[in-house]
Amino acid sequence: GAGVSQTPSNKVTEKGKYVELRCDPISGHTALYWYRQSLGQGPEFLIYFQGTGAADDSGLPNDRFFAVRPEGSVSTLKIQRTERGDSAVYLCASSLRDNTDTQYFGPGTRLTVL
Amino acid sequence: DQQVKQNSPSLSVQEGRISILNCDYTNSMFDYFLWYKKYPAEGPTFLISISSIKDKNEDGRFTVFLNKSAKHLSLHIVPSQPGDSAVYFCAARSYGSGNTGKLIFGQGTTLQVKP
Repeated sequence: GAGVSQTPSNKVTEKGKYVELRCDPISGHTALYWYRQSLGQGPEFLIYFQGTGAADDSGLPNDRFFAVRPEGSVSTLKIQRTERGDSAVYLCASSLRDNTDTQYFGPGTRLTVL
Repeated sequence: DQQVKQNSPSLSVQEGRISILNCDYTNSMFDYFLWYKKYPAEGPTFLISISSIKDKNEDGRFTVFLNKSAKHLSLHIVPSQPGDSAVYFCAARSYGSGNTGKLIFGQGTTLQVKP
């Protein structure tokens, strides 16, 4: 079956602009995670959704970052007033039910802020 | 504060030999550990996991060992194959009430298996 998909695969933007990154989880998966991977580092947790609600947003670095999952499936990560330090690969993962299930990752969106 | 550390950025082994990748952690609340493998331009792929109540888990050529007293785990790949060349991430998480299953990753180790 289809895995986690993310669009776009690459996004180049200018400092100060607004961007949206999309994640389509595996069908039927209720748990969804966003991570950010900077060069030479492992992925860092941003936010976790269980269904439509953000159950844990403790990893969001500041209030420029926001994510939604209005229908409990597709999720959008939104970044306002982008900064050069936001440049990274943004990874989405989904799992079947809850925090005990294996997380399956998408290929990521590479964001470059000029 | 790096709670999960992979101190070797890279490792090179000959095809057919054993690859040993190491990982250390500092948080004693972690009770589940995972290894993910990542190829360029792809997302991490789950490889193998171990619960803190065990000290060994094996799946084909891959074995993970956990030493809780030392807060150390290792991934053994035997025999290594050129297709195993990738970046390997160690990750940890906590179960229990209030824990959301978020994974804490190490920095990764790039494994190169030479034919």
